[in-house]
Amino acid sequence: GENVEQHPSTLSVQEGDSAVIKCTYSDSASNYFPWYKQELGKRPQLIIDIRSNVGEKKDQRIAVTLNKTAKHFSLHITETQPEDSAVYFCAAGGTSYGKLTFGQGTILTVHP
Amino acid sequence: DTAVSQTPKYLVTQMGNDKSIKCEQNLGHDTMYWYKQDSKKFLKIMFSYNNKELIINETVPNRFSPKSPDKAHLNLHINSLELGDSAVYFCASSQEGGRARTYNEQFFGPGTRLTVL
Repeated sequence: GENVEQHPSTLSVQEGDSAVIKCTYSDSASNYFPWYKQELGKRPQLIIDIRSNVGEKKDQRIAVTLNKTAKHFSLHITETQPEDSAVYFCAAGGTSYGKLTFGQGTILTVHP
Repeated sequence: DTAVSQTPKYLVTQMGNDKSIKCEQNLGHDTMYWYKQDSKKFLKIMFSYNNKELIINETVPNRFSPKSPDKAHLNLHINSLELGDSAVYFCASSQEGGRARTYNEQFFGPGTRLTVL
């Protein structure tokens, strides 16, 4: 089955800096790659997603890049703000009936 | 107005008991999921139902039994609770995540924190 590895497990940045989180996946048939943000004690919420026919997608301060050949994708957050502090999860899907395989999560802390 | 709701929010119980968690979505989605998030925050899918049909059944002990009475509801019943069952259980829903094999955003419920003593 699919295996998703996510790095780093923790990331600490100063407000205004950029943050990058990377994920690799194992199943070349995967074609959908969402990123979820989970604030403390809250539910995961989708922040951006990308499909395999696209190499890059941007939404304001958030961007995701996908390298299908290398089977890795990354989340980029620019001009970080304290409210960006949360756990971020990458996931991969597309091979089995809506099933998403999640990475281990990255705890992002943005210091004011 | 809530999109995906779960009850109860907290559940504290003794080992060996049987308990249920209920989930409802008002988004008109045709696919619903149960996820388990352990103490290390790892999110793992347990079950998925599409139009009341079981689609995904991961390697979960058969003490866990999902039931979908209709498209808008997916309940989780757990028999003979064990200490290791302590976790946060999230329900989620999406449109066309089932046999159509198309992928769309999954909307998560607020979670149920289960503590087994």
